[in-house]
Amino acid sequence: LAKTTQPISMDSYEGQEVNITCSHNNIATNDYITWYQQFPSQGPRFIIQGYKTKVTNEVASLFIPADRKSSTLSLPRVSLSDTAVYYCLVGRYSGDYKLSFGAGTTVTVRA
Amino acid sequence: GAVVSQHPSWVICKSGTSVKIECRSLDFQATTMFWYRQFPKQSLMLMATSNEGSKATYEQGVEKDKFLINHASLTLSTLTVTSAHPEDSSFYICSAAGTGGYEQYFGPGTRLTVT
Repeated sequence: LAKTTQPISMDSYEGQEVNITCSHNNIATNDYITWYQQFPSQGPRFIIQGYKTKVTNEVASLFIPADRKSSTLSLPRVSLSDTAVYYCLVGRYSGDYKLSFGAGTTVTVRA
Repeated sequence: GAVVSQHPSWVICKSGTSVKIECRSLDFQATTMFWYRQFPKQSLMLMATSNEGSKATYEQGVEKDKFLINHASLTLSTLTVTSAHPEDSSFYICSAAGTGGYEQYFGPGTRLTVT
């Protein structure tokens, strides 16, 4: 199962774009990449999921290069309410689940 | 996204007693449910995966006789912490997925404090 590595923390200001990169050098062919947001004392909330290239939804974009050894979550124009911990999850289902959560990146958005 | 609830949201119990935590998927059939434990300022640690009607699959290092998991229906899974000790104090979070689904829907978590 791929080991995931994320930066421990990142600081930003309101209105800026925040990019968080997760490394997963040993990602398997059928592994998917998912990003979650978590606020203190709450369960994680799904942000975005992808397999390769680029995925975009109403809150974020996910960039995955051709070799899939890393992925970058992009949060456009962050606000104070985006201050949270962001987790990268690499996982697959092949009869059973194999899941590997990153250690999480604490993003602090300042006014 | 789908809604998953947990009950209770927090519980305090005495050392040596057992505590049951419920996880319910409110608006979809959860073929698979996951149980995680999270210590302060740490990542989520997967404890076990359960499929409806089957025995749970526990991660390495998780005592299956201590953390009893039952997934009796497509909408309910329970985690029972037996003979709880202070070191079991943690934030327990469940999540649910459809068959072979990669997207997990997480519950709000249960804060367990063992005194």
